[in-house]
Amino acid sequence: KQEVTQIPAALSVPEGENLVLNCSFTDSAIYNLQWFRQDPGKGLTSLLLIQSSQREQTSGRLNASLDKSSGRSTLYIAASQPGDSATYLCAVGRGSTLGRLYFGRGTQLTVWP
Amino acid sequence: GAGVSQSPSNKVTEKGKDVELRCDPISGHTALYWYRQRLGQGLEFLIYFQGNSAPDKSGLPSDRFSAERTGESVSTLTIQRTQQEDSAVYLCASSLVSPRSTDTQYFGPGTRLTVL
Repeated sequence: KQEVTQIPAALSVPEGENLVLNCSFTDSAIYNLQWFRQDPGKGLTSLLLIQSSQREQTSGRLNASLDKSSGRSTLYIAASQPGDSATYLCAVGRGSTLGRLYFGRGTQLTVWP
Repeated sequence: GAGVSQSPSNKVTEKGKDVELRCDPISGHTALYWYRQRLGQGLEFLIYFQGNSAPDKSGLPSDRFSAERTGESVSTLTIQRTQQEDSAVYLCASSLVSPRSTDTQYFGPGTRLTVL
């Protein structure tokens, strides 16, 4: 059974810091890995999706890497801002027709001005 | 619509009552997913619909839970004889599953269910 772990569970940093969120998964036979953002009382917003054949994806100040063999992914946030405060979720998918995502419990990020 | 919509946004019910939660996926998305998120927990997969294939119901926690989908449109998640442990946010997602798609799952805002 696929298990996804995210470290740290919570992180509080001052504005402007660069930071790294970690995700690990137990079964390396994944199809893709997705990072989401969840704001209180709202649904999930997809940030980045990395296919299993890719090593990284970038969007603005966000960069996600994937090392499938070691079962790890990191989300790098550059020059953090208070608006980045949210819970960040990592999820892995087994296959395009196999559907479900396996989620970690998330990292709750607070960026203070 | 532009995104996945869910209704109601909030539902408070008494233990033992039945509830229906609705999801409208993004138009054209062939895949639809239900997850739930209990307080302080991660997202749990419930059920997955893909086109005309038999749904993957492996995540449904008990036979009190059922879901239907009409073609490639609306889905309804039904919980019968609700229990307090059913209290959670129920999230729906949809994706476009094709060889050329990225399979990104797009989530709705969720329905917060409270069972008293």
